[in-house]
Amino acid sequence: DAKTTQPPSMDCAEGRAANLPCNHSTISGNEYVYWYRQIHSQGPQYIIHGLKNNETNEMASLIITEDRKSSTLILPHATLRDTAVYYCIVRAQGGSEKLVFGKGTKLTVNP
Amino acid sequence: DSGVTQTPKHLITATGQRVTLRCSPRSGDLSVYWYQQSLDQGLQFLIQYYNGEERAKGNILERFSAQQFPDLHSELNLSSLELGDSALYFCASSDRGGGQGTQYFGPGTRLLVL
Repeated sequence: DAKTTQPPSMDCAEGRAANLPCNHSTISGNEYVYWYRQIHSQGPQYIIHGLKNNETNEMASLIITEDRKSSTLILPHATLRDTAVYYCIVRAQGGSEKLVFGKGTKLTVNP
Repeated sequence: DSGVTQTPKHLITATGQRVTLRCSPRSGDLSVYWYQQSLDQGLQFLIQYYNGEERAKGNILERFSAQQFPDLHSELNLSSLELGDSALYFCASSDRGGGQGTQYFGPGTRLLVL
């Protein structure tokens, strides 16, 4: 599975959009981009995933660049409860079963 | 609530002991995954079972073993415990055996070895 690079930490004001970047320059054509978050030692929570088209669900939007070498997770109106570590994971369809977690981005939403 | 349940929530035991962690997957999910999260190693994949059969293995120690039962619940057995085994243990489940299904995580079991 491809390696991802994320900034170690980010801050965001409550009510503003949080844009979390992820670089995955060695991504292959059959690899999906997954986002999870972990709120203070709770179980990782699935947020969203995509292959090449932009995706949106009730939690967030995922924007993948045309060359697929990077992506951005957007939380449109961040709240204090969105403070968490966000993990960007690249995973091949039909490939390794496991999720490979890096260090993620610690997002702090400030009042 | 992901629908994945894990028991117990907390476990305190002594070195050399053996413990069993239990996981019930979401209804209908056939795959169960175990992960370990320690302070220095982050979240690491241990092992996966699909419909009762071992499917994939990570860096799981020989002192650790797992199984998945006919009702699809899974147990992770940790024996000859050492201080370094203190960690959070998460179970996840998905509805597919291949690398396609989204994994949903349980709340975890916090193990403290004294």
